[in-house]
Amino acid sequence: GEDVEQSLFLSVREGDSSVINCTYTDSSSTYLYWYKQEPGAGLQLLTYIFSNMDMKQDQRLTVLLNKKDKHLSLRIADTQTGDSAIYFCAETIGGATNKLIFGTGTLLAVQP
Amino acid sequence: SQTIHQWPATLVQPVGSPLSLECTVEGTSNPNLYWYRQAAGRGLQLLFYSVGIGQISSEVPQNLSASRPQDRQFILSSKKLLLSDSGFYLCAWSNLAGRETQYFGPGTRLLVL
Repeated sequence: GEDVEQSLFLSVREGDSSVINCTYTDSSSTYLYWYKQEPGAGLQLLTYIFSNMDMKQDQRLTVLLNKKDKHLSLRIADTQTGDSAIYFCAETIGGATNKLIFGTGTLLAVQP
Repeated sequence: SQTIHQWPATLVQPVGSPLSLECTVEGTSNPNLYWYRQAAGRGLQLLFYSVGIGQISSEVPQNLSASRPQDRQFILSSKKLLLSDSGFYLCAWSNLAGRETQYFGPGTRLLVL
């Protein structure tokens, strides 16, 4: 079945690194995504990784993909208070509809 | 560049009243369109998606319906709202021409009393 799981909460101190983890089930997913949702706002695409890659770096963000274990992680270096938000991972189901299956989201709280 | 709009931003409606939420996309043609609901403290649930005008697929049985009267317009409706319809409603679009990235609107917060 289709299921994407994330831990619900992560607390870090400002300046530390944050690592948000996600496991997915569909081995045929072509792209995996990380979205950020600030309070009261819509979802903002942060980054994505193609399924034939195992790492992607974009400024302070590093995405690691372990296809064998179906495990995706997002590392935020030098975490700032402005990074406080809910982070969703999502996998594609593919086909003509481009459907995404989202995880439940991880609330990242950055302590000053 | 592409933009996606949703309105209203916030809505408070009594139980049993009708609902109409609108989503429009600019700067792209023939997008796939999606409606999601995010209940308080929960993840996103896909409600409807559309691959073209008049083509609607429903993901879960519910009190809501969707319509796509124009290429870049997606409407979420209800004839009679229930308390359980309260939530944050998000519209998204994607384009088959590229990767399957979905881009989200700002959302509509609905409170049914």
